Amino acid sequence: RKEVEQDPGPFNVPEGATVAFNCTYSNSASQSFFWYRQDCRKEPKLLMSVYSSGNEDGRFTAQLNRASQYISLLIRDSKLSDSATYLCVVNGNTGFQKLVFGTGTRLLVSP
Amino acid sequence: DTGVSQNPRHKITKRGQNVTFRCDPISEHNRLYWYRQTLGQGPEFLTYFQNEAQLEKSRLLSDRFSAERPKGSFSTLEIQRTEQGDSAMYLCASSSQIMGEWHGYTFGSGTRLTVV
Repeated sequence: RKEVEQDPGPFNVPEGATVAFNCTYSNSASQSFFWYRQDCRKEPKLLMSVYSSGNEDGRFTAQLNRASQYISLLIRDSKLSDSATYLCVVNGNTGFQKLVFGTGTRLLVSP
Repeated sequence: DTGVSQNPRHKITKRGQNVTFRCDPISEHNRLYWYRQTLGQGPEFLTYFQNEAQLEKSRLLSDRFSAERPKGSFSTLEIQRTEQGDSAMYLCASSSQIMGEWHGYTFGSGTRLTVV
């Protein structure tokens, strides 16, 4: 079983739609959680950190459920520019912040 | 400082040749990481440096791979006797803690290696 699991997609949605991605992680000792965005043939870029209380950044909302070891990302009012791969990322080691990445979920937003 | 810099951006090499990649992290970041990403997968951890000390290596890092960070600044990743399975994007990242808070990595643009 992979340490971080995501549905690879692709998710095809029209502009303006709301879309949600989910992710599960297996290491209950994980301390930090993130969503990264990766455009085709580019490096991953931090989209947002994920906190137990939930957090929002504009159209993006992230939630963490430690009991279920489950992380989610909600994107409202999708834009064409949101088309990318969204990587669920977990820090399983408190010693040196080794990040473990899921395979990513591909989002395609169409006009 | 414009971020994490990696060179070269692309490298095509013949099987059996040695290749070396360079990473220049953000100057105030004391932690540096190498990851490898193949098509359709997320990045996989290879190794980690705190200043000049290499403190962790993945089992993915076979004997043909070696990484250095001689003065705690830039780092190099060398692959000897390359194999076709080494074809991947090699990503470098750096990070630091501010007031005890860790704010995630900053990745470089990566070096895309193709072994033919």
